[in-house]
Amino acid sequence: QVTLRESGPALVKPTQTLTLTCSFSGFSLRSSGMCVGWVRQPPGKALEWLARIDWDDDKYYNTSLRTRLTISKDTSNNQVVLSMTNMDPVDTARYYCVRIRGIHLLMDVWGQGTTVTVSS
Amino acid sequence: EIVLTQSPGTLSLSPGERATLSCRASQSVRSSDLAWFQQKSGQAPRLLIYGASSRATGTPDRFSGSGSGTDFSLSISGLEPEDFAVYYCQHADGSPGFTFGPGTKVDL
Repeated sequence: QVTLRESGPALVKPTQTLTLTCSFSGFSLRSSGMCVGWVRQPPGKALEWLARIDWDDDKYYNTSLRTRLTISKDTSNNQVVLSMTNMDPVDTARYYCVRIRGIHLLMDVWGQGTTVTVSS
Repeated sequence: EIVLTQSPGTLSLSPGERATLSCRASQSVRSSDLAWFQQKSGQAPRLLIYGASSRATGTPDRFSGSGSGTDFSLSISGLEPEDFAVYYCQHADGSPGFTFGPGTKVDL
């Protein structure tokens, strides 16, 4: 059974750096074609893709946020970490970790998400 | 960058009725890169349809996807109470990444 679980602070102050961890099981990021990504959803709004890391350590970022994002993986511990610098209240959202697989990049399994509020 | 537009914004229907949701891309996309997600209130999204018309594991056959080029649609034949949710179309182009539409809410 494939599962993903997000963890991180529920509250961050403006200008701080957010670090989120995705812990997953049931698959390996060593497997060809396997990826993990992050998607966020502000309250009442649509989904927004943030970043993706592939089995071969290739990394991709949302163009409009790329200067603020860093994604990395710890394959041995089945974890993916996303950092977002210079947090702002507009970054308040639910952040989801998602498995992405195959040549057509299917987001086929999602974590339950973690809510992050940016406020002083 | 491809922009996805979904219509209508809200679809008010009753159980048993048929729902037809539209997703339009700002430029032609490969059908293989178009997916639909369902998000129920308070839950994470769930992959419903991939490759424009293939049902994901666990997707009931009352859900069907179709389309090509710039125009895609998701149909739900005979709405069940659990189908009232928000539906997002998504394009995956690998580089730079993924684009979601604004969503269509199907409600009572």
